[in-house]
Amino acid sequence: EAQVTQNPRYLITVTGKKLTVTCSQNMNHEYMSWYRQDPGLGLRQIYYSMNVEVTDKGDVPEGYKVSRKEKRNFPLILESPSPNQTSLYFCASSLRPVSSPLHFGNGTRLTVT
Amino acid sequence: EDQVTQSPEALRLQEGESSSLNCSYTVSGLRGLFWYRQDPGKGPEFLFTLYSAGEEKEKERLKATLTKKESFLHITAPKPEDSATYLCAVTHPGGTSYGKLTFGQGTILTVHP
Repeated sequence: EAQVTQNPRYLITVTGKKLTVTCSQNMNHEYMSWYRQDPGLGLRQIYYSMNVEVTDKGDVPEGYKVSRKEKRNFPLILESPSPNQTSLYFCASSLRPVSSPLHFGNGTRLTVT
Repeated sequence: EDQVTQSPEALRLQEGESSSLNCSYTVSGLRGLFWYRQDPGKGPEFLFTLYSAGEEKEKERLKATLTKKESFLHITAPKPEDSATYLCAVTHPGGTSYGKLTFGQGTILTVHP
């Protein structure tokens, strides 16, 4: 089944403790991206990747890191999480960055205390 | 600053009561506008892509249209299963913003039986 898989679905952590949210897609898509969703603010793009080893900042990249060493994986790294990073995170992929629709994962709900 | 604004924030309809959702944008050199549907606890699902003013797309009870400054999602004779949050997103023109995607805040649609 074609899908984008995020793990974990739920994560509760403390301020400053490094964490990684994994994202994997099995559709051979070139483009992958991360979003956070907050009430009243909608979906905001954190980082995106046009292909392996190519990543760019979205609208809210501060406090996050990404890497794209393989085409299928695009992990999101929070090296020192803070409470304002408590949010619902989505990973998505598409065949092409502009003309193709995004396929989203089911989300990761992160709480930083 | 490029902006995408959706209205209304929330819409309550009776089953069978047709209406429209609006997505206005200020992105210059639009390369594509997407509509997504999001159910609670899930990632957004793709509905339509529109590329040029005057373009229209239909799927069951939904019809999306695009002008130079806004897009409409028309819902004809809605059913309770159409209840969801509807999101629009615009892709940025080329250059340094190529690959960026900006979402609106969404419209929460509730259809009562």
